[in-house]
Amino acid sequence: NAGVTQTPKFRVLKTGQSMTLLCAQDMNHEYMYWYRQDPGMGLRLIHYSVGEGTTAKGEVPDGYNVSRLKKQNFLLGLESAAPSQTSVYFCASVEQGRHGYTFGSGTRLTVV
Amino acid sequence: AQTVTQSQPEMSVQEAETVTLSCTYDTSESDYYLFWYKQPPSRQMILVIRQEAYKQQNATENRFSVNFQKAAKSFSLKISDSQLGDAAMYFCAYDSPLFGNEKLTFGTGTRLTIIP
Repeated sequence: NAGVTQTPKFRVLKTGQSMTLLCAQDMNHEYMYWYRQDPGMGLRLIHYSVGEGTTAKGEVPDGYNVSRLKKQNFLLGLESAAPSQTSVYFCASVEQGRHGYTFGSGTRLTVV
Repeated sequence: AQTVTQSQPEMSVQEAETVTLSCTYDTSESDYYLFWYKQPPSRQMILVIRQEAYKQQNATENRFSVNFQKAAKSFSLKISDSQLGDAAMYFCAYDSPLFGNEKLTFGTGTRLTIIP
């Protein structure tokens, strides 16, 4: 089925380790986003991309890096994980000029 | 920057009754989009309803409807004939129409419990 796929779905990291979360969409959407969800804080935007090869900072970008080398993929990297990055991460995409976002099923990341 | 406020962290309603979830927002833009998303325990984000600010008519989707008050910057969600499957977190969200600036700003959510 068409949609947004996030891998992995769960991950436990030790403080200081690095990892990459992958988001893939097969809808040819221009825009892609990474959000984090924390209790009582809703979803907050980390980074986003308005097209292949472009990225921009969102509300909470510190400690994260992103890349969009291919239109269908948007990678979120943690270079040195911290306990404060324990969260559920969501990827989303939308077609340029449209306003109906499609979300992935989320990645639960725990940093110990 | 736009902000979205949901002042009810938790709500509960008897099955088959009606419940209204509140949302207010702050923006200087005249045109924009507003959304309600549902997040059940499965964690999936599901679009419930969408409102375009330039449209006067309130959006409706089956048992879900909104009360959009543009001047008051209010966007409440009414769920009629509540069902057990409506139990979830509900998020209000704002989207700018400006080209290249499309990104959702979310409220902090309201957890809805359905009482059998």
